[in-house]
Amino acid sequence: DQQVKQNSPSLSVQEGRISILNCDYTNSMFDYFLWYKKYPAEGPTFLISISSIKDKNEDGRFTVFLNKSAKHLSLHIVPSQPGDSAVYFCAASSGTYKYIFGTGTRLKVLA
Amino acid sequence: DTGVSQNPRHKITKRGQNVTFRCDPISEHNRLYWYRQTLGQGPEFLTYFQNEAQLEKSRLLSDRFSAERPKGSFSTLEIQRTEQGDSAMYLCASSVQGVGAGEGWADTQYFGPGTRLTVL
Repeated sequence: DQQVKQNSPSLSVQEGRISILNCDYTNSMFDYFLWYKKYPAEGPTFLISISSIKDKNEDGRFTVFLNKSAKHLSLHIVPSQPGDSAVYFCAASSGTYKYIFGTGTRLKVLA
Repeated sequence: DTGVSQNPRHKITKRGQNVTFRCDPISEHNRLYWYRQTLGQGPEFLTYFQNEAQLEKSRLLSDRFSAERPKGSFSTLEIQRTEQGDSAMYLCASSVQGVGAGEGWADTQYFGPGTRLTVL
């Protein structure tokens, strides 16, 4: 019972274009969502988060959108850079400290 | 300010042996978490400490696993009688209660580089 799903295992995008990574969740009690980036042989690095009282949060090139009715969030990276190539995980939490992670999407930004 | 550190980074052991991993959180972070990540999966929650108190253990954490945080600073995770199914990346994270982009209780967890365990 995967509560957080990232249905695209991989994504390739041309440098300078927009990367859109998607995440769906099933638990309507989730109220805090995060995106992490992971390079090989390193731990996940926090990228951006959003609470359920908002529908958008921006930080530089990164924007997270939350659609509560659809139980869907997405991460937009504009413009994409080769250094953004990594595995991206979304995570969700429901009023506790415990994060539930998706299975990740591998992003490859082509120069 | 240094990040979360974990030692060792890699551990290869034979089935049946005991192993211990250490995690040093970001200084003054009162919350500490252990996760496990296997190939093709996201991190899975194992256990959580607030200061020195272990407040939750996942059912993934069998009796062979034990975690401590004796003085509310560093933490250790011990696996006794290792099995091949224990092979995974073990991740530690820390946070400060109530500090993050969320509201109220929500805080942001910062991860260490992980310890990769291989059980032969």
